[in-house]
Amino acid sequence: AQSVAQPEDQVNVAEGNPLTVKCTYSVSGNPYLFWYVQYPNRGLQFLLKYITGDNLVKGSYGFEAEFNKSQTSFHLKKPSALVSDSALYFCAVRALSGTYKYIFGTGTRLKVLA
Amino acid sequence: GAVVSQHPSWVICKSGTSVKIECRSLDFQATTMFWYRQFPKQSLMLMATSNEGSKATYEQGVEKDKFLINHASLTLSTLTVTSAHPEDSSFYICSARKPGQGTEAFFGQGTRLTVV
Repeated sequence: AQSVAQPEDQVNVAEGNPLTVKCTYSVSGNPYLFWYVQYPNRGLQFLLKYITGDNLVKGSYGFEAEFNKSQTSFHLKKPSALVSDSALYFCAVRALSGTYKYIFGTGTRLKVLA
Repeated sequence: GAVVSQHPSWVICKSGTSVKIECRSLDFQATTMFWYRQFPKQSLMLMATSNEGSKATYEQGVEKDKFLINHASLTLSTLTVTSAHPEDSSFYICSARKPGQGTEAFFGQGTRLTVV
């Protein structure tokens, strides 16, 4: 079965410091991996995706993620955190090739402290 | 990108009544839309896949008679929560894929339903 795990419920980081939000996955076949961000009472906004190619994927708002096949991880990173980055982050995997059903992780709340 | 809009953003209804939530793709045609439910401080759970012109496909454990989905056009899917109860209170989010736009889905802003 396909699954996604986000081991941290919350991550706190000081403004200006690098941040990492962790995600591991379990899929059969090639993984299609995504990161989304959710602000309070809002829908999800797409940040970035990995389909194939370079393991380091760059996305919106200065975020990037590194695909590591051997560790089955897809951690979200940013070199310098902003207070405005504080939000709920979801890692997701597309469930089956050829469909567009997503399986989401439980989410990680990021708090960037001024 | 692509725009998916939900209406209303929030709604309060009385127990026993029904409430309809609309999901529109504003600048593209979507043959398939997805409905998710998000409980407080929890992840999104896929409820059903809405297919234009045919019946929706429900995930295991989702009551199709309670959560009626209609995808009557290529730009509109509706979710009707029938005979609502307080336990149906939740955040409902739809998504759609824009053909030719890649593999990511575009999400609506969500609808917060409160049943009193």
